[in-house]
Amino acid sequence: KQEVTQIPAALSVPEGENLVLNCSFTDSAIYNLQWFRQDPGKGLTSLLLIQSSQREQTSGRLNASLDKSSGRSTLYIAASQPGDSATYLCAVGAQKLVFGQGTRLTINP
Amino acid sequence: EPEVTQTPSHQVTQMGQEVILRCVPISNHLYFYWYRQILGQKVEFLVSFYNNEISEKSEIFDDQFSVERPDGSNFTLKIRSTKLEDSAMYFCASSDFGNSPLHFGNGTRLTVT
Repeated sequence: KQEVTQIPAALSVPEGENLVLNCSFTDSAIYNLQWFRQDPGKGLTSLLLIQSSQREQTSGRLNASLDKSSGRSTLYIAASQPGDSATYLCAVGAQKLVFGQGTRLTINP
Repeated sequence: EPEVTQTPSHQVTQMGQEVILRCVPISNHLYFYWYRQILGQKVEFLVSFYNNEISEKSEIFDDQFSVERPDGSNFTLKIRSTKLEDSAMYFCASSDFGNSPLHFGNGTRLTVT
C-alpha cells in the first residue's frame, strides 16, 4: 500500500529565502507525482505534475524533482514571498492520488 | 482560466439525512473524482468516474455513497444516510485525460450533527 510522507510538517522562513520541501513515497511504481498548494478553507491548486519518466518540472520560481529509485521528490521555491504562505501537498498516482499530510509554509515579511 | 465549481460551500445536516453535493467540472474534461479531507487528516480518494461509470472506488466509498452525472455538466455525490464521521471537506476534481493533472474545486464542508 502506497504511503506518502512530507517533512517537515511546518516551516517558517523569512521572505526572500530559497527553500526545499520534501516528499517521500514507499512504492516506486508510480505514474505521476503532483504538487499542490492549499490555502486555508480553500481547494487544492495544482502547481506541478511530474510524470514517471521525467526527472523534474519547472514553473516560474518553483522546481520539482523526482527520484523514483529513492522514493523521493522535492519542491524548490526560489526567492520566497509572503504570498507563498500556504500548505503544500504532494500526491502520487494518476487518477487515484495518495496524498501526504502536507507542509504548512509561512513566509515572514 | 476554467475552474471546477462546487456547491454549496458549506452544508449542515442531521445524522441519518441524505445529502447531495454538487460539482461542475471543467467543460472539456472526461475524468471526474471525489476526494475528502477530514479535519486535520490527509486528503483521501473516494471515487473516480469515466464514461458514465465508476472506474475505481476506495473502501470508504460503500453502499451509502453514490455518484451521478445527470446532465452532461454536473457531477454529484450522494450520501444516503449521513453519519457523524462523514463530516469532512469534500472535494470534486476533474482531468482531461487519465494521466493529466487533476484540477480541484474549493470543496464543500459537510457538517453532520
